[in-house]
Amino acid sequence: AQKITQTQPGMFVQEKEAVTLDCTYDTSDPSYGLFWYKQPSSGEMIFLIYQGSYDQQNATEGRYSLNFQKARKSANLVISASQLGDSAMYFCAMILLVGAGSYQLTFGKGTKLSVIP
Amino acid sequence: DSGVTQTPKHLITATGQRVTLRCSPRSGDLSVYWYQQSLDQGLQFLIQYYNGEERAKGNILERFSAQQFPDLHSELNLSSLELGDSALYFCASSVKQGPYNEQFFGPGTRLTVL
Repeated sequence: AQKITQTQPGMFVQEKEAVTLDCTYDTSDPSYGLFWYKQPSSGEMIFLIYQGSYDQQNATEGRYSLNFQKARKSANLVISASQLGDSAMYFCAMILLVGAGSYQLTFGKGTKLSVIP
Repeated sequence: DSGVTQTPKHLITATGQRVTLRCSPRSGDLSVYWYQQSLDQGLQFLIQYYNGEERAKGNILERFSAQQFPDLHSELNLSSLELGDSALYFCASSVKQGPYNEQFFGPGTRLTVL
C-alpha cells in the first residue's frame, strides 16, 4: 500500500530564513504525483505545489519549491524567506492511478511550522 | 476566499442520525472533491465527481454517499452516524477532470456527533 511519511511533527524557523519540510513516500508504481498543502490555524486548506513523477524539473511556485529526489523517494518542501504568515500545518500527499481512470490519494500526518519573529 | 462555499459551517447531531453537507464549487469548475479531516484518521480523500459523474473513490464508508447535481453543486450524505464520524469535512473544486492540478478548498463543515 502506498504510504506518505512526514517525520517532523513540528518545526521552528526564524523569519526571513529558509526552511525544509520533509516528506518521504513509498510506492513501486513509476507513475505518481506529489502535492503539498498548507492549513493555517483558521482551518482552510490551501494548495501549494504539485510534482509529477515524470516531471524533469523540480516544481516551483513563488517562495515554494519542491525538492524532488526520486531515487530517495523524497519530496521535500522548501519555503524561502519565511514569513509570519507561513505559520501553519503543512501536509504532503501522493496520488496514484489505480486503473479504470481512478486513483488513490494519501496524505501524511502533517508538520506544524512556526515562524519566529 | 477560494470561491467554494460549504453549508452548514457547523453541524451537531446525535448517533444514528443522517445529515447532508452541501458544496458549491467555484464558477466554471466541473470537479468536486470531498475530504474528511479527523484527529484519529488525519486527512482522507473520500470521493470525486466530475460534471455529474463519479470519477474516483477513496476511503468513503458505505454509510456515506455523494452526488453532483446538474448545476454542479454537490452533496455528501452521511447516515447512521457514529461518534467517530465527528470531523471537519472539506469540499474542493477544480476545473479539470484529473486531480493533478490545483484544487480550491471550501471552509469546511465541522460535524460533531454526540
